[in-house]
Amino acid sequence: KAGVTQTPRYLIKTRGQQVTLSCSPISGHRSVSWYQQTPGQGLQFLFEYFSETQRNKGNFPGRFSGRQFSNSRSEMNVSTLELGDSALYLCASSGNSGGPQETQYFGPGTRLLVL
Amino acid sequence: KNQVEQSPQSLIILEGKNCTLQCNYTVSPFSNLRWYKQDTGRGPVSLTIMTFSENTKSNGRYTATLDADTKQSSLHITASQLSDSASYICVVSAQSNYQLIWGAGTKLIIKP
Repeated sequence: KAGVTQTPRYLIKTRGQQVTLSCSPISGHRSVSWYQQTPGQGLQFLFEYFSETQRNKGNFPGRFSGRQFSNSRSEMNVSTLELGDSALYLCASSGNSGGPQETQYFGPGTRLLVL
Repeated sequence: KNQVEQSPQSLIILEGKNCTLQCNYTVSPFSNLRWYKQDTGRGPVSLTIMTFSENTKSNGRYTATLDADTKQSSLHITASQLSDSASYICVVSAQSNYQLIWGAGTKLIIKP
């Protein structure tokens, strides 16, 4: 099976712009979670989607939004970019039930730099 | 407040030596605890996952322990190799809402 894929891998934007990141989960996986990781910080949970519905949400401002399509692919959008949004954005998918026992499989991440 | 704390923050050891990383948590109600390995610039990879009833689980040279009474876990690495250089992250799942609480990780450096 192909792993989790994320596009693009690298992105440079300027303050005030918006960005859309894409994640394709492992085939058959229905849960997709998004995380932000900044240097020296642990992973910060953004949100989780399961069967096209947002099931969990972290403590990020409304500038961060996401959605999931019927094929389980997910997109994350950040509007009005700020310098502090520069980070590695990771997507993870987990199995059919998406429950707390499921192992999460991570993609390689999208490294976003905001200038 | 649900929290996961890891120690030490960083660790340097010589190749071939053993080491133990610690994780303390205050997540309740507890569902499971996971250890992940994250190489620089890559996504984390799962090493082990343990539920309330399990107190030890191995994956090759990695052995994780869990004491649900004291809410502590450890990850022991035996006969370290250069490829073990990475960040090791402890993650605890809350039973109530599927949410995962991530520790900040321990950065491990193996020197030849």
